[in-house]
Amino acid sequence: NAGVTQTPKFRVLKTGQSMTLLCAQDMNHEYMYWYRQDPGMGLRLIHYSVGEGTTAKGEVPDGYNVSRLKKQNFLLGLESAAPSQTSVYFCASSLRQSKNIQYFGAGTRLSVL
Amino acid sequence: RKEVEQDPGPFNVPEGATVAFNCTYSNSASQSFFWYRQDCRKEPKLLMSVYSSGNEDGRFTAQLNRASQYISLLIRDSKLSDSATYLCVVNSPYGNNRLAFGKGNQVVVIP
Repeated sequence: NAGVTQTPKFRVLKTGQSMTLLCAQDMNHEYMYWYRQDPGMGLRLIHYSVGEGTTAKGEVPDGYNVSRLKKQNFLLGLESAAPSQTSVYFCASSLRQSKNIQYFGAGTRLSVL
Repeated sequence: RKEVEQDPGPFNVPEGATVAFNCTYSNSASQSFFWYRQDCRKEPKLLMSVYSSGNEDGRFTAQLNRASQYISLLIRDSKLSDSATYLCVVNSPYGNNRLAFGKGNQVVVIP
């Protein structure tokens, strides 16, 4: 069972470059989330989606955009990367009726130089 | 005040011993509580939900104290494989009931 799959696993960017992180889930979950995890801090929610075609801002949305064109995919975009966006990014998904039980992908380690 | 606060540790525990740690949450309106486990350089995974009456899952016991706004996790008969960071997670009444994650309690089980 694949569960939640994130690509790429690692990436190094230069300041100002753009990139898209892909999250795919095969569990038919309605809800999907993007988090970032930084040393000494808990996971922080960037954006989330409660269904295909809908997205909403989380705690720390600035500098990121998202899209959910298909139920199984949730894309996170960085239009102009900054060193402050160096982090580990986790995607997660959940069923609507049990949204507190989230299943995470393996993470993407991003460094912005 | 942070929504969820945890003492990061590390908690160094001899194999076979018992370890316990708490986390505090700031919003009395929170309704759902969880412990997630995160291994080094891996993703978080749900360990257990925390119910008002307290609950056990094998060697793990979780308790909730609403009056003092803290939850606890106790691990009995620690195994080497229990070495991980344990994340305290609370649903937040802000922002469409999102989850608020603590920094985690790092547990290192020593042979």
